[in-house]
Amino acid sequence: SQQGEEDPQALSIQEGENATMNCSYKTSINNLQWYRQNSGRGLVHLILIRSNEREKHSGRLRVTLDTSKKSSSLLITASRAADTASYFCAQIRMDSSYKLIFGSGTRLLVRP
Amino acid sequence: NAGVTQTPKFQVLKTGQSMTLQCAQDMNHEYMSWYRQDPGMGLRLIHYSVGAGITDQGEVPNGYNVSRSTTEDFPLRLLSAAPSQTSVYFCASSYGLAGGTEQFFGPGTRLTVL
Repeated sequence: SQQGEEDPQALSIQEGENATMNCSYKTSINNLQWYRQNSGRGLVHLILIRSNEREKHSGRLRVTLDTSKKSSSLLITASRAADTASYFCAQIRMDSSYKLIFGSGTRLLVRP
Repeated sequence: NAGVTQTPKFQVLKTGQSMTLQCAQDMNHEYMSWYRQDPGMGLRLIHYSVGAGITDQGEVPNGYNVSRSTTEDFPLRLLSAAPSQTSVYFCASSYGLAGGTEQFFGPGTRLTVL
C-alpha cells in the first residue's frame, strides 16, 4: 500500500487527558500534514511539518517528525469532548509533489 | 467566501448510469483534487489539476474522468457507475502544490451505486 499506517486505529480517553497518535510512512517525504475529520464532514487542516523540521506546535497540538524512523506523532494535550474526531496524517513523497497520500486514520473518542 | 462547495450532497445511482459531481472554489486556488473515502479508510486520490486545462491521474483514476476549463470548477464524471464506486467523494483545493500548503476540503458527496 502507498498509504502510511496510523496507530492506534482507535483511541478512547477521558476529557483532560492527553492523546497521542502515530503515523509511519514508507518512502522519503517532502513534508507531512495532519488533518481532522468530524463525523460526516470534510477534512480540516491542522499542521504541516516539513522534512527538515523535528517539532511543531499549534495551540494544544504538538507534532513531531522523525525522518530516520519514518514516523510522525500528533499529541493533543488537555483533550476536550470537542476533539472527538478522526485524525489523518498525509504525506507528500519526494517523488511526487502533487499527490497527498493519506493514512487510514485514528478515531479518537474523548469522554466527558 | 463560500470556500469549496460540492453538489449534490447525496446521490443514488443504478449500475451503468452516468453522473457528474460538481466542485467549485472561490479562493482562486490553482490546485484542485478529488478523493474518495471508503468506510474505515483514509482518502485516496482520484484525479488532480494544477491549473485550468491541466489534469492528471491519482492513485485510483479508473472509472472517472475530469476536466478543468476554469480555475473555479473541477467536475468529476462517472461514465458508467459501478457498485465499487459507492463511496464518499471529497473535493479539495489549495493555493500551491498539494504538499506545500493547506488543503481546503468540501463537505463531500455521499454516492451509492445499486
